[in-house]
Amino acid sequence: EVQLVQSGAEVKKPGESLKISCKGSGFSFSLYWIGWVRQMPGKGLEWMGIIYPGDSDTRYSPSFQGQVTISADKSISATYLQWTSLRASDTAMYYCARRTGWGAIDYWGQGTLVTVSS
Amino acid sequence: QSALTQPRSVSGSPGQSVTISCTGTSSDVGNYDYVSWYQQHPGKAPKLMIYDVNKRPSGVPDRFSGSKSGSTASLTISGLQAEDEADYFCCSYAGSYTLIFGGGTTLTVL
Repeated sequence: EVQLVQSGAEVKKPGESLKISCKGSGFSFSLYWIGWVRQMPGKGLEWMGIIYPGDSDTRYSPSFQGQVTISADKSISATYLQWTSLRASDTAMYYCARRTGWGAIDYWGQGTLVTVSS
Repeated sequence: QSALTQPRSVSGSPGQSVTISCTGTSSDVGNYDYVSWYQQHPGKAPKLMIYDVNKRPSGVPDRFSGSKSGSTASLTISGLQAEDEADYFCCSYAGSYTLIFGGGTTLTVL
């Protein structure tokens, strides 16, 4: 069974750093592009970027370039989303997701809620 | 890149059909046959309902269908059921490994 399991909810203060994770199982993790999607409270889905764990080739949405870092460790079938200095506007649910073909996501993680508040 | 345009809400009675539109540009929906649709119930992760404009993943009822004309894609749900009440998001490939989502449509089953 294909699964993407994300790390738990986080509560952080503005200016703090954070790294959340997503671990895949039930498929050849290194052979699929894994993306990250943001959903702010009560809002829609936003594509952040994507990584190919096989060689760590990473592509960012222009809106998120320079704001976050996406990385992967294929040895443990994991991908990460990282911030160096959080802002209140980073408060959102973050999903990792497996891309299929060119334009679809067939499996989603359960989401990681990040709350940034002083 | 602006989000794809969807109606904020649609509604229908059980058994009826509803169609949700998704309008993009010649850089995304109009340029690629890689439109997908997702259903999201409150507090849950999105679920893939349609991919590549009109293909259904295994397990998705054939009441769900997709189409595209020019830069506008559509999701049609026929034989509405109470469990179809959810938010629906369209998505298109936009080149350079980028996906772009619609703002989402809330479907209410009356």
